[in-house]
Amino acid sequence: DIVMTQSPDSLAVSLGERASINCKSSQSVLYSSNNKNYLAWYQQKPGQPPKLLIYWASTRESGVPDRFSGSGSGTDFTLTISSLQAEDVAVYYCQQYYNTPPTFGPGTTVDIK
Amino acid sequence: EVQLLESGGGLVQPGGSLRLSCGASGFTFSGYAMSWVRQAPGKGLEWVSAISGSSGSTYYGDSVKGRFTISRDNSKNTLYLQMNRLRAEDTAVYYCAKLNSEGNNWWFAFDIWGQGTMVTVSS
Repeated sequence: DIVMTQSPDSLAVSLGERASINCKSSQSVLYSSNNKNYLAWYQQKPGQPPKLLIYWASTRESGVPDRFSGSGSGTDFTLTISSLQAEDVAVYYCQQYYNTPPTFGPGTTVDIK
Repeated sequence: EVQLLESGGGLVQPGGSLRLSCGASGFTFSGYAMSWVRQAPGKGLEWVSAISGSSGSTYYGDSVKGRFTISRDNSKNTLYLQMNRLRAEDTAVYYCAKLNSEGNNWWFAFDIWGQGTMVTVSS
C-alpha cells in the first residue's frame, strides 16, 4: 500500500495569512501515460463529512474558493490556503488514488492563531 | 441537489452482523461508482470498499475482505454494505461516497459524501 504522510500535524495561522500543508507519498503517484498526479485533498470540519477540495493534485473542485490551491508532483505535494478565513478551521487530508487501496494521510489540523 | 443518506448503523456485539444502506438522489445513480469510507472515533479516514456503476466490479480493503460485502440496487438508487463477523476495530462512522468520474472513466477520489452512520461493536 502507498503510505501517505502529512506535515505539520497542526498549525495555527492568523486570519488573512497563508497556511501551507505538506503531503508526501511513499511512491510516486504520477501516472506517466497521462501525466496526472493521482492526489486529492479534503477538508473536514467538526461533526461533518469530508469535502473534496482538490483532485489531480491541483484541480479545484467546483465551488471551492480560489484561496485554496494544490501543487506538487511525484511524491511531494502542498495544499495552500492563501488568506485564511475563520470558516477554514478544519482538518485537511491528502489522499492518493494511484493504487488500490486508496490511502489517506493522517490529517493536519488548521486553527486560528 | 445531490445527496447521499446513510442508515442502518447501531450497536452490535462482536461477531454480529449489520447491513448499512445509502440512498442517493439528485444524480443518475447507476452511472457512477460508489464507495464506503470509515472513520474511527477521533481518527483518520480509511477506505473500506467500492463498486462500479453496473455492479460488475467490487473492491475491498484488506481489513474487511471476506467479512464485508458491497452491493447496489440501481432500481432503488441504493448502495449497501453487509458487514459480518464484526470486530471492535470496525467501530467507526461509515460514510457513503460517490467516486469522481469523467465520461466512462472513474477513479478513487470521492466527490460527494453522506453524513455518515455510526457503527459500534461492543459487548
